[in-house]
Amino acid sequence: SQQGEEDPQALSIQEGENATMNCSYKTSINNLQWYRQNSGRGLVHLILIRSNEREKHSGRLRVTLDTSKKSSSLLITASRAADTASYFCATVTRGAQKLVFGQGTRLTINP
Amino acid sequence: EAGVAQSPRYKIIEKRQSVAFWCNPISGHATLYWYQQILGQGPKLLIQFQNNGVVDDSQLPKDRFSAERLKGVDSTLKIQPAKLEDSAVYLCASSFPLAGVPYEQYFGPGTRLTVT
Repeated sequence: SQQGEEDPQALSIQEGENATMNCSYKTSINNLQWYRQNSGRGLVHLILIRSNEREKHSGRLRVTLDTSKKSSSLLITASRAADTASYFCATVTRGAQKLVFGQGTRLTINP
Repeated sequence: EAGVAQSPRYKIIEKRQSVAFWCNPISGHATLYWYQQILGQGPKLLIQFQNNGVVDDSQLPKDRFSAERLKGVDSTLKIQPAKLEDSAVYLCASSFPLAGVPYEQYFGPGTRLTVT
């Protein structure tokens, strides 16, 4: 069953621009995580935000969480060609012990 | 530290044949996961182990898929017999859970299975 849904499904921007991806989910969560997947490094954990947090930063990444709207966004600033990848949000529902992934956003950074 | 190891990396079989995948998690990680990722979709959890025990296998097609985790370390996932719709990448992941809630998961490179 799909919990998170990413929007847009695909995004193409110029190198140096900012990229924003959104994730909506249906049920109350314990935490929400963002992962990146590319052919070179496989699926890699980027950042985790707990349900009682509203914003987290990691390098060029900024994640926000709005539990009232059941949504999260991932902002990548000053994008680079190496950021080209698929980005997935994954949620841990309250009371559950598993991670449920969305369909992902395919991000392409053009030089 | 060494990452999650998986083998083989690629496998091509005919339908109705059997296949097995192997995973070695990061040392000390008690929780091991097998995911199926069909092209263009997000990973879908097939089975989750906590040490030797199964925590969740609700999405494992048990008529054809089986998995075991011997001695709480390595794990194998088997498909018998394979169907065309089993063509996917099979990902293994491990984590060190805190109070049973999944936090950061570390993924292996995956096994790309093609069923013809």
